Amino acid sequence: QFTLKESGPTLVKPTQTLTLTCTFSGFSLTTSGVGVAWIRQPPGKTLEWLALIYWNDDKRYSPSLKSRLTVTKDTSKSQVVLVMTNMDPVDTATYYCAHTLDYGDPSFDSWGQGTLVTVSS
Amino acid sequence: DIRMTQSPSSVSASVGDRVSITCRASQDISTWLAWYQQKPGKAPKLLIYGAFILYDGVPSRFSGSGSGTDFTLTISSLQPEDFATYYCQQAISFPRTFGQGTKLEIK
Repeated sequence: QFTLKESGPTLVKPTQTLTLTCTFSGFSLTTSGVGVAWIRQPPGKTLEWLALIYWNDDKRYSPSLKSRLTVTKDTSKSQVVLVMTNMDPVDTATYYCAHTLDYGDPSFDSWGQGTLVTVSS
Repeated sequence: DIRMTQSPSSVSASVGDRVSITCRASQDISTWLAWYQQKPGKAPKLLIYGAFILYDGVPSRFSGSGSGTDFTLTISSLQPEDFATYYCQQAISFPRTFGQGTKLEIK
């Protein structure tokens, strides 16, 4: 049973930097093949994949957001951190982290509850 | 990027009905396709991966089919708890991409 939970600010101002933390249990990011992804969903819209970090520190980013995103892991704390710079009101969304694998089934099999981030002055 | 297109965008059906939702990929993704169910205010839940493999604990009334560019999610006999929004997602390449969603509503 994998559990994940997102944490961070609920409100950020335009141009500020957003830092979100995903704290997980039931798996380890030191295990071969394991990854944690970040996905967001603006209100009333579809899901958008943002970034992914694997057990071996391989990182993948959405090309459209790559210049603004950084993903890191702290295996000792079972945490993954997403940093998004230069926030804009269009970045208002619920942000999710999810468990995935780089072999076999690379779908997102377990998700956090999500955290709503509003970008407004 | 691989574009995922779902149809219909919304569908109305009754309890007990059989419903199918389709997903088309803009290029061949073999069977690297997943389906998710999302209820209002909740995170998505994985239903099917590998185009047709039922995830643990998912009722057998859900099934997936297809390969290449065309895929289908079928619910054989709708239950009240199945009314939700469904998304497909390709898992063959980065960036991972999702369909726009299909909202399944009660008739």
